[in-house]
Amino acid sequence: AQSVTQPDIHITVSEGASLELRCNYSYGATPYLFWYVQSPGQGLQLLLKYFSGDTLVQGIKGFEAEFKRSQSSFNLRKPSVHWSDAAEYFCAVGAGTYKYIFGTGTRLKVLA
Amino acid sequence: AAGVIQSPRHLIKEKRETATLKCYPIPRHDTVYWYQQGPGQDPQFLISFYEKMQSDKGSIPDRFSAQQFSDYHSELNMSSLELGDSALYFCASSLGLAGAETQYFGPGTRLLVL
Repeated sequence: AQSVTQPDIHITVSEGASLELRCNYSYGATPYLFWYVQSPGQGLQLLLKYFSGDTLVQGIKGFEAEFKRSQSSFNLRKPSVHWSDAAEYFCAVGAGTYKYIFGTGTRLKVLA
Repeated sequence: AAGVIQSPRHLIKEKRETATLKCYPIPRHDTVYWYQQGPGQDPQFLISFYEKMQSDKGSIPDRFSAQQFSDYHSELNMSSLELGDSALYFCASSLGLAGAETQYFGPGTRLLVL
């Protein structure tokens, strides 16, 4: 069965520090992978997506993610975190039957 | 650019009442998805429609029903509401089917059942 695992429930980083959010997936076919961000009380905003091709994908707000098939991972990175990046981040896999399966999310806290 | 519109944004109901949530997809998008996000939970897929036909079904209770209309908007009808139905309900839309299509999410409807 398809599944997405985000091992870190909470992450705290200092402003200006680098960030990596982990995501591991389980899916039998070629995965379609997404990262979404959700600010408190807000909807889900797409950060970036991977369908095929270059395994390093660039997204909005300075985020990037790297697809590693051998590790079944799609980790999200940002070289320098801003206070406005504090939010909850969801990794998702597009399952073949037209739905997304989300991970449990990682809540990011940014220290000034 | 136009986004997915959901109404109402907030809704308070009593137990055993009914609720109707509406979703207006991005223009030209023909596929609509509904998700439920409980407090502190990840979004869970409920149901989806493509060209007004149900395309997939997830963990949607029998008390809930949904449809997509000729103008592609969708409505989620919830009856005999329970306390556990309190959640944020997202609608998303995409152009076409398949997991590869990017789903664009609306701001959600926050339902509180008292």
